[in-house]
Amino acid sequence: GAVVSQHPSWVICKSGTSVKIECRSLDFQATTMFWYRQFPKQSLMLMATSNEGSKATYEQGVEKDKFLINHASLTLSTLTVTSAHPEDSSFYICSARVSDRGKVRHGYTFGSGTRLTVV
Amino acid sequence: SQQGEEDPQALSIQEGENATMNCSYKTSINNLQWYRQNSGRGLVHLILIRSNEREKHSGRLRVTLDTSKKSSSLLITASRAADTASYFCATDAAGFGNEKLTFGTGTRLTIIP
Repeated sequence: GAVVSQHPSWVICKSGTSVKIECRSLDFQATTMFWYRQFPKQSLMLMATSNEGSKATYEQGVEKDKFLINHASLTLSTLTVTSAHPEDSSFYICSARVSDRGKVRHGYTFGSGTRLTVV
Repeated sequence: SQQGEEDPQALSIQEGENATMNCSYKTSINNLQWYRQNSGRGLVHLILIRSNEREKHSGRLRVTLDTSKKSSSLLITASRAADTASYFCATDAAGFGNEKLTFGTGTRLTIIP
């Protein structure tokens, strides 16, 4: 159980275009979704935390107008990279905290990641 | 938020040997988790150790936690070529006003057949 499905797994786009990445919780309700970015040979850096029905909380240094996060339902969160540039090329991973009546039960579950290449 | 530090950054050992990775963190935590990541892939959850636990085992994995030193170690015994991957510790400070996972810098483990 506790699976997060992330799509697409990879995408190549032209500079200046926008790309949407989706994460769906398949068998549980994800009230909170986390979005990470990982550059080659580096660790995961948290970009933002999204809560269903409210605005996302962005980490310092992350442009909220560039990385649009929508968490309109308990099973779907999306990250849109707007006006993408080559420096946005990275591996993006979503994560949901799996909780049971407010208690963390299984920790966190991660999507399989999306490799974005902007050319 | 500041990341935890892991050492070594890279480790190469012969198949069959044991591999030890260390993680240090800075804040109070609810639990600490270890993940594996194969090149270019998603994360695989390995083990979770709660702040009131000192040691935990899972198969060939052994994790220790010393909250007084804010450090943890991951031991992989009898390593196999398939263990080649990057390993990350991640701290969960839920309940301490920091409701998110913060990842360490990672250790790249290479098992030489």
